[in-house]
Amino acid sequence: DAGITQSPRHKVTETGTPVTLRCHQTENHRYMYWYRQDPGHGLRLIHYSYGVKDTDKGEVSDGYSVSRSKTEDFLLTLESATSSQTSVYFCAISPTSGMLEQYFGPGTRLTVT
Amino acid sequence: GNSVTQMEGPVTLSEEAFLTINCTYTATGYPSLFWYVQYPGEGLQLLLKATKADDKGSNKGFEATYRKETTSFHLEKGSVQVSDSAVYFCALTLNNAGNMLTFGGGTRLMVKP
Repeated sequence: DAGITQSPRHKVTETGTPVTLRCHQTENHRYMYWYRQDPGHGLRLIHYSYGVKDTDKGEVSDGYSVSRSKTEDFLLTLESATSSQTSVYFCAISPTSGMLEQYFGPGTRLTVT
Repeated sequence: GNSVTQMEGPVTLSEEAFLTINCTYTATGYPSLFWYVQYPGEGLQLLLKATKADDKGSNKGFEATYRKETTSFHLEKGSVQVSDSAVYFCALTLNNAGNMLTFGGGTRLMVKP
């Protein structure tokens, strides 16, 4: 299994509070991704990173920001959480453009009340 | 744009039944195709892949053939087990896209003893 951890695994927070989710990898892979998974929508890409300090928006980036200051860590921040951001969040990594596969972390279940 | 369409679930089968989960795609190029599986409470795991037309991906008794003429990548298994109960996602990537995946909506499979 690829070495990917996510923290926290579960979080309940109130509307309007900031939340940061962390993804940590031990594989030294270049690409990292954040997805959200919602019933009826499958997985949707929020943001991705193609290297340290290099990030870009995905399909559903509004209300989210990311940072990657080290190869191994990719942080997802909800500046002011809303109930519509209640979801399961998955981090994924991918080694190089030639390998194609993504490997997924265990997920973080976030509930915004 | 790129899209993946999967048959809606849930698919309910008895143990040892034959499984087919349909997947079709549209892509603005020559994609690589994947099936991922998600067991309850876990992240996604790569099940199999195919990178060019007529390739057959296989793993754990599951198979899927890359059919360019019908833009399809249907998942099959000859005899399902209760342990195969999970959500299955079809996905594609274009090799020049930073390994970004486009997912189908997922198909839940329930296998009864």
